[in-house]
Amino acid sequence: NAGVMQNPRHLVRRRGQEARLRCSPMKGHSHVYWYRQLPEEGLKFMVYLQKENIIDESGMPKERFSAEFPKEGPSILRIQQVVRGDSAAYFCASSSGYGTNYGYTFGSGTRLTVV
Amino acid sequence: EDQVTQSPEALRLQEGESSSLNCSYTVSGLRGLFWYRQDPGKGPEFLFTLYSAGEEKEKERLKATLTKKESFLHITAPKPEDSATYLCAVQAESNTGKLIFGQGTTLQVKP
Repeated sequence: NAGVMQNPRHLVRRRGQEARLRCSPMKGHSHVYWYRQLPEEGLKFMVYLQKENIIDESGMPKERFSAEFPKEGPSILRIQQVVRGDSAAYFCASSSGYGTNYGYTFGSGTRLTVV
Repeated sequence: EDQVTQSPEALRLQEGESSSLNCSYTVSGLRGLFWYRQDPGKGPEFLFTLYSAGEEKEKERLKATLTKKESFLHITAPKPEDSATYLCAVQAESNTGKLIFGQGTTLQVKP
């Protein structure tokens, strides 16, 4: 029973390029959350998605960042025209519902480095 | 504004030396408080969820407690393999499921 799968594990992009981070939730989970962990900072919520719907994007930067969770396939976090400040670890979590009765399982993260 | 503060930032213990980690929170209606463990280069690993003041949960050498303003993670007779960063997070009643994390406490247990 595979856990939350994120890929790639490490991603290097030059300033101005696009970064695409993928997250496959645990089997049976239809709720996906993206978090960002900047160096020396805690995990910060970015966006909460269900299949084909964005439920809460209150933590997403207004520009350059977008997320989707299509009917088929993984959830994608897309960062356009990356800048050095986007360098961080990006974690995806999944659950079978929302609320504390449902466990939130995290993936191992994608470490983005912008050079 | 919902907020979580953890202390200390870092803690060094000798093997067998018990201690506690603190998580203070302010939230507009607590739905639940979570403890996670994070090893370097890995994602957070779930430990506990606490729902109401007075609740306690245990797992091996770890025991989590909750009051109306803070939570403690007690570590009894720690071993070197308990070395990790411990994260506290809250979920507010008013939101859809996002977790608000503290900065974490990095624990190092020396043999």
